[in-house]
Amino acid sequence: EVVMTQSPGTLSSSPGERATLSCRASQSVSNNYLAWFQQKPGQAPRLLIYGASNRDVGIPDRFSGSGSGTDFTLTISRLEPEDFAVYYCQQYGDSPGTFGQGTKLEIK
Amino acid sequence: QVQMQESGPGLVKPSETLSLTCTVSGASIGGSRFYWGWIRQPPGKGLEWIGSGHESGSTYYNPSLKSRVTISVDTSKNQFSLNLASVTAGDTALYFCARGISTPYATGKWGQGTLVTVSS
Repeated sequence: EVVMTQSPGTLSSSPGERATLSCRASQSVSNNYLAWFQQKPGQAPRLLIYGASNRDVGIPDRFSGSGSGTDFTLTISRLEPEDFAVYYCQQYGDSPGTFGQGTKLEIK
Repeated sequence: QVQMQESGPGLVKPSETLSLTCTVSGASIGGSRFYWGWIRQPPGKGLEWIGSGHESGSTYYNPSLKSRVTISVDTSKNQFSLNLASVTAGDTALYFCARGISTPYATGKWGQGTLVTVSS
């Protein structure tokens, strides 16, 4: 299976700053079928980005995804208080779909 | 706007079968575009894709669970279900249903999740 590795495990930042989260796959992600999710405590994950760089409907444009092959990045251009959460990447190009272990974005 | 809601027992005994249903509202479960899947999250841990089904009857399972999992899609009830046999404490988790597109392994829209505890 494709192993997804996210870094860093925890990122401490302040509102207004830029945050960069990384996701690396153990092999090339088919068709760049890579998604990013945001999860807050007690909630289901919410889709932010699909196909590596496409924002889902209603997602603010401060969220952007980039990358291809094995290396992908989620960038939040200017952090808002509601952005502090856990972020997961998932590859959905090959069976089984696999998630990274998550990056916790916390307030510094 | 599509909404999904999981339902089923919150407590299952070891060696028994965990059975959950996801009821879909705001959209028809029929239509060839979508896959209907399940994901779980043990308390305080990460996410694991369990499998998915399609209205055609096709199913796709995580090899790590394949021998114990059955997913079925019922278009007449606008529901899909998960059965996980021979459960152990290691199957205790928050179980989410989800709708995906593009591939059977996609998980775009999620239900709120339901906690299932395996204990005697």
